[in-house]
Amino acid sequence: EAGVAQSPRYKIIEKRQSVAFWCNPISGHATLYWYQQILGQGPKLLIQFQNNGVVDDSQLPKDRFSAERLKGVDSTLKIQPAKLEDSAVYLCASSLAGTGARGGYTFGSGTRLTVV
Amino acid sequence: QKEVEQNSGPLSVPEGAIASLNCTYSDRGSQSFFWYRQYSGKSPELIMSIYSNGDKEDGRFTAQLNKASQYVSLLIRDSQPSDSATYLCAADNYGQNFVFGPGTRLSVLP
Repeated sequence: EAGVAQSPRYKIIEKRQSVAFWCNPISGHATLYWYQQILGQGPKLLIQFQNNGVVDDSQLPKDRFSAERLKGVDSTLKIQPAKLEDSAVYLCASSLAGTGARGGYTFGSGTRLTVV
Repeated sequence: QKEVEQNSGPLSVPEGAIASLNCTYSDRGSQSFFWYRQYSGKSPELIMSIYSNGDKEDGRFTAQLNKASQYVSLLIRDSQPSDSATYLCAADNYGQNFVFGPGTRLSVLP
């Protein structure tokens, strides 16, 4: 079974620029999560999708962050404009519908963003 | 805001010793608890889950849960240098997703 695919692996941008990250979940996984992990901290949930609907985006800074999952499969997370404090690893994870919080979920390899 | 707290570390133990990692959570409604291991520069990987009070053993790992005290722990027996990593504790959030703690960095010294 292929894992969660993310791209790019690394990205360096200047502040105020925009950036987009892509995630393709494990085949058949209806639930997709985007987490932000700042160096030295635990991952923080940004947004959770069930198919192409949003389940939880309470911690997504909506003035600059947006995410979509148009066909209920892959997803894109965008930051516009980026700030220095957005430097972090952006992790995507997926799970079978309704099982994530029960059985755990698998993370992709992440995208390391550096804003200079 | 739900919170998960962990001992800040870093924790250093000699090879072959028992490493004890602790975690507390704020929401009594949480039912599922997980331990993830994260090597430097890598993404977290799930190593243990626990849902009921008591102990759960898997090889050298034992997870312990005490819901009355809102406390979760992970014991690693016969610690190996390859166990050196950051260990993340997570609690479920209304059964939808996880809240993670800040992690405890473990160093196993040869």
